[in-house]
Amino acid sequence: DVKVTQSSRYLVKRTGEKVFLECVQDMDHENMFWYRQDPGLGLRLIYFSYDVKMKEKGDIPEGYSVSREKKERFSLILESASTNQTSMYLCASSLAGRGETQYFGPGTRLLVL
Amino acid sequence: KNEVEQSPQNLTAQEGEFITINCSYSVGISALHWLQQHPGGGIVSLFMLSSGKKKHGRLIATINIQEKHSSLHITASHPRDSAVYICAVLISSNTGKLIFGQGTTLQVKP
Repeated sequence: DVKVTQSSRYLVKRTGEKVFLECVQDMDHENMFWYRQDPGLGLRLIYFSYDVKMKEKGDIPEGYSVSREKKERFSLILESASTNQTSMYLCASSLAGRGETQYFGPGTRLLVL
Repeated sequence: KNEVEQSPQNLTAQEGEFITINCSYSVGISALHWLQQHPGGGIVSLFMLSSGKKKHGRLIATINIQEKHSSLHITASHPRDSAVYICAVLISSNTGKLIFGQGTTLQVKP
């Protein structure tokens, strides 16, 4: 069965803290994505990766970085968390090419105080 | 103007009603996805379309590439269909990058 897991369902951090969100998929997918979801704005792409050590900026990369050292794991890093980064963060993965279906993780709800 | 627009934003229906959610887009696409998100966050893919029509149980999705429009229909709606339905267009088949609509929140009352 297809599975994308995220390290935390809920997270509370303080302004200025460094935050790591981890995503792991067990489907040997090449593509992995990080999104944030906010009311009224829908899902917005932060970063994506189409191979190990490869990354590309999405629509809203400011304040975020990513790491993909292994094929199955894609990490999102908030170098210095700010209150406007309070959001739902969703990870997804898909096979390479031909626009395969994306499989989503359960999401991490992050609150930055 | 958003590149992917959904309508309506919110929809309330009585159990058993036929429901239609619309999606219009303004960019060239390789395919279009319909996704479902239940309370709690989990998103599942319902359909991926590049032409014509697909049916799965009580759900039907259609796409008109020339008109840049897709519809998701739910027949004989049920309270368990209550969810957010999201339209997403695939703009790059190599990277799988999607652009999302804002979602339609559906509530089906018993």
